[in-house]
Amino acid sequence: GDSVTQMEGPVTLSEEACLTINCTYTATGYPSLFWYVQYPGEGLQLLLKATKADDKGSNKGFEATYRKETTSFHLEKGSVQVSDSAVYFCALGSFGNEKLTFGTGTRLTIIP
Amino acid sequence: GAVVSQHPSWVICKSGTSVKIECRSLDFQATTMFWYRQFPKQSLMLMATSNEGSKATYEQGVEKDKFLINHASLTLSTLTVTSAHPEDSSFYICSGIAGGSTDTQYFGPGTRLTVL
Repeated sequence: GDSVTQMEGPVTLSEEACLTINCTYTATGYPSLFWYVQYPGEGLQLLLKATKADDKGSNKGFEATYRKETTSFHLEKGSVQVSDSAVYFCALGSFGNEKLTFGTGTRLTIIP
Repeated sequence: GAVVSQHPSWVICKSGTSVKIECRSLDFQATTMFWYRQFPKQSLMLMATSNEGSKATYEQGVEKDKFLINHASLTLSTLTVTSAHPEDSSFYICSGIAGGSTDTQYFGPGTRLTVL
């Protein structure tokens, strides 16, 4: 079945550092790929998505590229801020994207 | 963006009792709602999918008689954990999809259930 493997956390970085959170997937067919973010006390929010191979999703300075050859969708940001502290979930969507399969989540803490 | 609320945000109950969790879409009509369960340091596991006015579709291994889901309106879905036991303690999260959109789920903040 479908699965998502995500870099384990927690990850602690200094402000303005570069961020990479690894995500790889296993799926049949051609899934869509997502990154969700959960800020403290809030629900998961869609951060970015990509629907086909080589697509790059981007939002709020974050980006991720759908790599079919390596079955990866790594999340990157060139300069993180304290406000980026949250839990990040990689997910894939199948069956019309209604059913999502999530990774375990990575807690990111940015220190000033 | 669209907002989904859950109530209560946390609940503690005795073993053998039933607990109801509400999920409301506050500013959109959710034709489809999902219920997830999350264990500590694990991913969200889809429990069931419900469409307004019809019976929920449960994932393999989820007991439908234990986890009763009702999606009576386009803005409200409820999950009732019947005869709860300590192993049902978990974080329950709902999400909804707005009618006409199939690729964006809006998530609630979750409900932490502790069964003593």
